[in-house]
Amino acid sequence: QKEVEQNSGPLSVPEGAIASLNCTYSDRGSQSFFWYRQYSGKSPELIMFIYSNGDKEDGRFTAQLNKASQYVSLLIRDSQPSDSATYLCAIKKGDSSYKLIFGSGTRLLVRP
Amino acid sequence: NAGVTQTPKFQVLKTGQSMTLQCAQDMNHNSMYWYRQDPGMGLRLIYYSASEGTTDKGEVPNGYNVSRLNKREFSLRLESAAPSQTSVYFCASRLLAGVGRTGELFFGEGSRLTVL
Repeated sequence: QKEVEQNSGPLSVPEGAIASLNCTYSDRGSQSFFWYRQYSGKSPELIMFIYSNGDKEDGRFTAQLNKASQYVSLLIRDSQPSDSATYLCAIKKGDSSYKLIFGSGTRLLVRP
Repeated sequence: NAGVTQTPKFQVLKTGQSMTLQCAQDMNHNSMYWYRQDPGMGLRLIYYSASEGTTDKGEVPNGYNVSRLNKREFSLRLESAAPSQTSVYFCASRLLAGVGRTGELFFGEGSRLTVL
């Protein structure tokens, strides 16, 4: 079992819709959770960070964390074609303050 | 600000050759990382350095060595390159999470390595 699991996609949504991206993890001690966006041929960039159970909103993005069920999700409201990218989930493992592990990423396609 | 700088950006090697990927950061970060990215595999942690003078293995360390030369620089060495090491390599740095800090990774632009 991979430590961080994501559906590879592609997830295809029409422009203006809500895109929902999910990530599950195996280490119950994981403490911090990150969502990165990566455009093709570019390096990843942080879009959301969450460490407490519940929701965290930033503009069109909402991160949701449920530690009991060991999943973290990212909602993108009013999706735009410019949101088309690969979204990577990353966790900071509980046994280390330094080890950050990534999922394989979900490719999102927003259709105009 | 340059942020995280990796060199070279592209490299082609023959099987068995050696090479070193260089990484430098100017953000005064304590921790530095090397990841590799293959199609459909996401980012996999090769080695990391929590602070100057320390290095630790990540998920896929076999075939690689690292050196934390000083606080700014963290190099990745392939002693005898294999075709399985064809990949895009990303260096990253970060500060631990704290007041006003998320503990996020800041990435370089990547180094594309092909081993024939």
